[in-house]
Amino acid sequence: DTGVSQNPRHKITKRGQNVTFRCDPISEHNRLYWYRQTLGQGPEFLTYFQNEAQLEKSRLLSDRFSAERPKGSFSTLEIQRTEQGDSAMYLCATGLPYEQYFGPGTRLTVT
Amino acid sequence: QKEVEQDPGPLSVPEGAIVSLNCTYSNSAFQYFMWYRQYSRKGPELLMYTYSSGNKEDGRFTAQVDKSSKYISLFIRDSQPSDSATYLCAMSGWRNGGSNYKLTFGKGTLLTVNP
Repeated sequence: DTGVSQNPRHKITKRGQNVTFRCDPISEHNRLYWYRQTLGQGPEFLTYFQNEAQLEKSRLLSDRFSAERPKGSFSTLEIQRTEQGDSAMYLCATGLPYEQYFGPGTRLTVT
Repeated sequence: QKEVEQDPGPLSVPEGAIVSLNCTYSNSAFQYFMWYRQYSRKGPELLMYTYSSGNKEDGRFTAQVDKSSKYISLFIRDSQPSDSATYLCAMSGWRNGGSNYKLTFGKGTLLTVNP
């Protein structure tokens, strides 16, 4: 257990629905990252927060995706109008630049 | 060409064998090199990190970085069935005048250690 928690652990949704995932980081870590991992691939960077500021977004993050980190604590990732291509494991990580600790992930299945 | 290349395997070895896992990379800005272990349907677990070139040892695990060749390795000695997992290399560093230290991962190598 890294101390990073994610909820829900698994989400099944129908195409076109909106979904929201939550990440609760290790409390003293001000850096928070979201990654996406598809089957047979390594995780790919989506977005990065330092405290409450979202400082970088990957081109993978289309305008259907939005992320927030109010007050620099927990973070949410919302996907609007889900598509089958959004099916993946969504991972949250916090930590130092060279020691990122991952949560267990949220597995999204879009039917 | 992807920034980080990793042979996906699968790799199957007998218990007690020495395992060698490798990654190559193309971006010379990478400074931090990490190895993660990922069990099926779980999040990646940090095993080791190394800064710049050199070796680092932790129990049965040894990480090596050769920046001149852009090549990193993870060695597992006396491999155990519980080591069966996917091993991911990851890297980060300064780019474009700054860095958020986002990680760039290889595809992962699936390792099976047979009793």
